[in-house]
Amino acid sequence: AQSVAQPEDQVNVAEGNPLTVKCTYSVSGNPYLFWYVQYPNRGLQFLLKYITGDNLVKGSYGFEAEFNKSQTSFHLKKPSALVSDSALYFCAVRPLGGGTDKLIFGTGTRLQVFP
Amino acid sequence: GAGVSQSPSNKVTEKGKDVELRCDPISGHTALYWYRQSLGQGLEFLIYFQGNSAPDKSGLPSDRFSAERTGGSVSTLTIQRTQQEDSAVYLCASRPGGQGDYGYTFGSGTRLTVV
Repeated sequence: AQSVAQPEDQVNVAEGNPLTVKCTYSVSGNPYLFWYVQYPNRGLQFLLKYITGDNLVKGSYGFEAEFNKSQTSFHLKKPSALVSDSALYFCAVRPLGGGTDKLIFGTGTRLQVFP
Repeated sequence: GAGVSQSPSNKVTEKGKDVELRCDPISGHTALYWYRQSLGQGLEFLIYFQGNSAPDKSGLPSDRFSAERTGGSVSTLTIQRTQQEDSAVYLCASRPGGQGDYGYTFGSGTRLTVV
């Protein structure tokens, strides 16, 4: 079965420190990969995506993610966390083929950045 | 409109009642998705519309759930005989639908509470 795993329910980091939110996936072929962020009482906002090309993808608000095909991972990173980064983060994959282009989401990771 | 609009933003209903949730996608977007976000469950795919093609209903959890999209624009998700386990945030997303397009835009969701 195709799936996305976010192994950490919550990540805590001090402001100014680097942060990593982990994501691994299990789909056939080479999927498209996405990160979304959700602030309280808001919809999902797009952060970044990997389609093809350079494995390191840069996105909104200083976030970046690295695609690792051998480890089937797409971890989200930021060199210096801000308190305003505190939110719920979702990793998603769009499997290629199969006649549909729905996104498959992980269960989300709550990022808490402490001042 | 400028974004994906969902209404109502909050809905409280009694167990056994029917509810209708509305989604207004971005004008011109041919692809429309419904997802359900339950606590600790991530985002669960429900249904996908693409232009005039038959919808992908593979995610609908039971026959109490149905959705339609009129005129290729507005979509309504209907839940009949609501149960407490239907309580969740229902998110709608739309996408232009062209080849090579990956821009999923989400609405703010409808929070459904079944009491």
